[in-house]
Amino acid sequence: QSVLTQPPSVSGAPGQRVTISCTGSSSNTGAGYDVHWYQQLPGRGPKLLIYGNTNRPSGVPDRFSGSKSGTSASLAITGLQTEDEADYYCQSYDSGLSGSVFGGGTKLTVL
Amino acid sequence: EVQLAQSGAEVKKPGESLKISCKGSGYIFTGYWIGWVRQMPGKGLEWMGTIYPGDSETRYSPSFQGQGTISADKSISTAYLQWNSLKSSDTAVYYCARRSAYCFGGACHYDYWGQGTLVTVSS
Repeated sequence: QSVLTQPPSVSGAPGQRVTISCTGSSSNTGAGYDVHWYQQLPGRGPKLLIYGNTNRPSGVPDRFSGSKSGTSASLAITGLQTEDEADYYCQSYDSGLSGSVFGGGTKLTVL
Repeated sequence: EVQLAQSGAEVKKPGESLKISCKGSGYIFTGYWIGWVRQMPGKGLEWMGTIYPGDSETRYSPSFQGQGTISADKSISTAYLQWNSLKSSDTAVYYCARRSAYCFGGACHYDYWGQGTLVTVSS
């Protein structure tokens, strides 16, 4: 069981908007630690998508956005494209574990 | 261009030892932490630990303490993950990743990732 909780799967049609939630606790996201998001395409390694809750690295389309409030964070993807079909992971820091923690991952299916 | 090049896939038997590598290039290797992340077949990402090649300070996840040793050789810009006695449960893809120089809100993110090393442990 992962320290950060994500829905196992979400889906949407091309062009639609989907959101993926990431819920933690008082020792990680609730303690004010930022959340980062990674995209893992099928058969590939993870790629940084969002850092510091809301920031996009250069090259990441602005269709991807992040937010955080309290113990929860969200990744929103607008204008869904077939190439967005991937696994998405949130990551933060846990003071009790003294290290990084990941969510269990969410599989996005573009219908 | 920042790159992390990992060693190739390995097939080992239970009880054997193994050392996989991650060579950094395109940046000052000694100035950034390197983390190791496990992904078991069909499962999610798990943070194992991290090392600062500048002085070899190492931190482990409590879940992985004693399950693999992280080291680095700064003279050749390479980090390592090794096992003395592999188990079938060590079968996974292992990623190395560079930790960003700036940690937002106290939580550090990983900005560059290696391609992964598949380790298969089977009798």
